[in-house]
Amino acid sequence: GAVVSQHPSRVICKSGTSVKIECRSLDFQATTMFWYRQFPKQSLMLMATSNEGSKATYEQGVEKDKFLINHASLTLSTLTVTSAHPEDSSFYICSARVVGVYNEQFFGPGTRLTVL
Amino acid sequence: AQKVTQAQTEISVVEKEDVTLDCVYETRDTTYYLFWYKQPPSGELVFLIRRNSFDEQNEISGRYSWNFQKSTSSFNFTITASQVVDSAVYFCALSERTQGNTPLVFGKGTRLSVIA
Repeated sequence: GAVVSQHPSRVICKSGTSVKIECRSLDFQATTMFWYRQFPKQSLMLMATSNEGSKATYEQGVEKDKFLINHASLTLSTLTVTSAHPEDSSFYICSARVVGVYNEQFFGPGTRLTVL
Repeated sequence: AQKVTQAQTEISVVEKEDVTLDCVYETRDTTYYLFWYKQPPSGELVFLIRRNSFDEQNEISGRYSWNFQKSTSSFNFTITASQVVDSAVYFCALSERTQGNTPLVFGKGTRLSVIA
């Protein structure tokens, strides 16, 4: 099956620093990738939809300038959390959409961000 | 608007018991897809099943079975003879249409604890 990787799997940073999370589709091309955020004991909430070669579409309440998304190629999307604060600590999961008969999405393993 | 409701927040069963996780969805589309994912403590989402709106046939996979009832907009998941390894959070999700950049909408999840 299709494989999606995320790097890093876990990151701890100081408040005020920026953190970049990579999402890669390893064996397929993904024109669309999604970024989700999951707080402890809560569900996954969509943050933004990332389309290759164009600007990301952000969900209501998600700050574009804080969560920078770049989808420069068909296999890579990056999420940069700028000037991170403790309230940004969360589990970030990306998924890549496979266009075809089924509306299939393959999820990455997630990145656990802890901001001190 | 699409919505997924998992009314059971937490369920605790004794090993070897059967357990059913409920999922009720709302959508205006006639074409949609329903999913179940398992999220163990590691955080990675494990895909369990996908069902499209035109296929109401129930499915069985080992100890897992799914009951899709379009009349009641439900897609329930049953684990037979539960095991400790089944302990996880289970998410039901919905995706509308096959075209376009439609993300998954997740329910809030049901935390299943199987006690030995």
